[in-house]
Amino acid sequence: LAKTTQPISMDSYEGQEVNITCSHNNIATNDYITWYQQFPSQGPRFIIQGYKTKVTNEVASLFIPADRKSSTLSLPRVSLSDTAVYYCLVAGYGGSQGNLIFGKGTKLSVKP
Amino acid sequence: DVKVTQSSRYLVKRTGEKVFLECVQDMDHENMFWYRQDPGLGLRLIYFSYDVKMKEKGDIPEGYSVSREKKERFSLILESASTNQTSMYLCASSPSGGTGMRGSPLHFGNGTRLTVT
Repeated sequence: LAKTTQPISMDSYEGQEVNITCSHNNIATNDYITWYQQFPSQGPRFIIQGYKTKVTNEVASLFIPADRKSSTLSLPRVSLSDTAVYYCLVAGYGGSQGNLIFGKGTKLSVKP
Repeated sequence: DVKVTQSSRYLVKRTGEKVFLECVQDMDHENMFWYRQDPGLGLRLIYFSYDVKMKEKGDIPEGYSVSREKKERFSLILESASTNQTSMYLCASSPSGGTGMRGSPLHFGNGTRLTVT
């Protein structure tokens, strides 16, 4: 299982771009990288998933370098409502059943 | 939209009680999970199930058991609740389909905050 490491917290201001990097040095060939967002008193919700290069959706972009040992979640022009905890999860498609273990997440605080 | 429903938002139990936390999903997902979440420790996996009557231990199964008699329902059982099991409990589900279990995005419920006194 690929262990993930993220910064514990980050601060930003409204309108700025925020990049949160996750390290996963022992990522396996069949592993995908998935990011989740969690607001207080709610369960985490899926934001974006990727395997390599760049993925973009209406919420965020995900950048994955060629060696796949890290990934960066990019939130464009954050607002106060983006204040949340962000988790990256590395897990594979197919293969045997296994644990899905989250890291400790990054607490993003967006200030006015 | 997938809906994962946890039966209680808040629960207060006494030490030694047997506690049942219920979770139901409405999207016919094969896989279901129970996590607990504590400040500074993030999400920790207790148990998961990839099929009816099947279960696998996660990272911290001690003091817990699970039951999955129907595909849509996954129950977490605290046989004898203790104060160190005071926590937020989160249930999640995901499909298997052609992509397998571990890469499919998880869908979470909103959690049950359990207090054991």
